[in-house]
Amino acid sequence: EVHLVESGGGLVQPGGSLRLSCLASGFTFSDFSLHWVRQAPGRGLEFVSAIDRTAYSTHYADSVTGRFTISRDNSKYTLHLQMTNLGAEDSAVYYCVKSGGRSYGYDYYGMDAWGQGTTVTVSS
Amino acid sequence: DIQLTQSPSFLSASVGDRVTITCRASHAIANYLAWYQQKPGKAPNLLIYGASTLQTGVPSRFSGSGSGTDFTLTISSLQPEDFATYHCQQLNHYPWTFGQGTKVEIQ
Repeated sequence: EVHLVESGGGLVQPGGSLRLSCLASGFTFSDFSLHWVRQAPGRGLEFVSAIDRTAYSTHYADSVTGRFTISRDNSKYTLHLQMTNLGAEDSAVYYCVKSGGRSYGYDYYGMDAWGQGTTVTVSS
Repeated sequence: DIQLTQSPSFLSASVGDRVTITCRASHAIANYLAWYQQKPGKAPNLLIYGASTLQTGVPSRFSGSGSGTDFTLTISSLQPEDFATYHCQQLNHYPWTFGQGTKVEIQ
């Protein structure tokens, strides 16, 4: 069974930094692209970032480009999201998500596994 | 970015009702569309991928259709456990955008 467990969320002041991590199990980690998706309180889902199987290609939402960096360690089955210069608009639950297919950039199979989420609150 | 517009945003229905939610894309996305169900305080759960293929374990009362720009999610007979928020998502081109969600409430 696939498991994705996020950690690293918490309360941070505006302008601060935070590093989220996601530990995966139950599948061959290096076979799939991975993503971060966030959801602000009472709002919809928002794509944040994506990384391909080898970490060669990454993609970011315009709202986080230049501030967030996605990375992965295939040997440790971990995904990371380094977040800097955080603002109130970044407050949300952040989900680690696995692609259902093995392609990057487009996917027929949807996002077939989600972590439980980690909460980031940006406030003074 | 590809915009997805879901309608309605809220839906009040009764157990046993047939429910249809639509999702319209601002650009053609072939059949690279997925539907998710989300319950309060929980992560989304994949229901349908490829616009019409049911994810393993999802009840057959759920179905999806469409291609190009217009898509629908249908629940043939609403059950108590189906009261939730439903999201569509395009996976044709980054960023993989979501619709704004449709909350299905008990009438």
